[in-house]
Amino acid sequence: DIQMTQSPSSLSASVGDRVTITCRASQTVANYLNWYQHKSGEAPRLLIYGASSLQSGVPSRFTGSESGTYFTLTISTLQPEDFATYYCQQTYSAPFTFGPGTKVDIK
Amino acid sequence: QVQLVESGGGVVQPGRSLRLSCAVSGFTFGSYAMHWVRQAPGKGLDWVSVISYDGPHKYYADSVKGRLTISRDNSKNTLFLQIHNVTSDDTGVYYCARGKSTALSAAVDSWGQGTLVTVSS
Repeated sequence: DIQMTQSPSSLSASVGDRVTITCRASQTVANYLNWYQHKSGEAPRLLIYGASSLQSGVPSRFTGSESGTYFTLTISTLQPEDFATYYCQQTYSAPFTFGPGTKVDIK
Repeated sequence: QVQLVESGGGVVQPGRSLRLSCAVSGFTFGSYAMHWVRQAPGKGLDWVSVISYDGPHKYYADSVKGRLTISRDNSKNTLFLQIHNVTSDDTGVYYCARGKSTALSAAVDSWGQGTLVTVSS
């Protein structure tokens, strides 16, 4: 099975900050890497699919990139509604594992 | 609009079985792969299972293989998850979710609000 790791596990940031979250796959996942935002009590939300494609309706401040088995989610200018937990997921090979998550909270 | 509504959660005793349902509307159910994802209390998202748009192809997380069965009824726009011999590890919120396309490898783009399963004697 493909293992996904994320760093950091949590971070504190201020509105307006640039935030970067990294995800690493234990083996190739090609570009079958997706990013989700999850707020407590709500359904998760797809942000980025295919490593770098922005899901419809998602603000352009969210971007995804890849370099081999390393993937990055960047929030260019953090907004109040962006405080949440972010997960990467590979859908290259079943089981379609999630990373452990990165919690972004208010500094 | 796209809607996914889970049901069937509740308190269940260890060792019993449980069937979760997900009724969908707002899209052509039979054209999409469907997933179950769960979240244990205080933990992260945990992918559980996926089923192909037409039903015959199914995959499971290693941790649940052999105890869980995913199925779908495209004539009734409903997804199911049967959980056998439940354990405390099955406690959590179970989300029904839609893949972006027929492809099993497509990202999940729509989610239900989840149904809570609590395993307790």
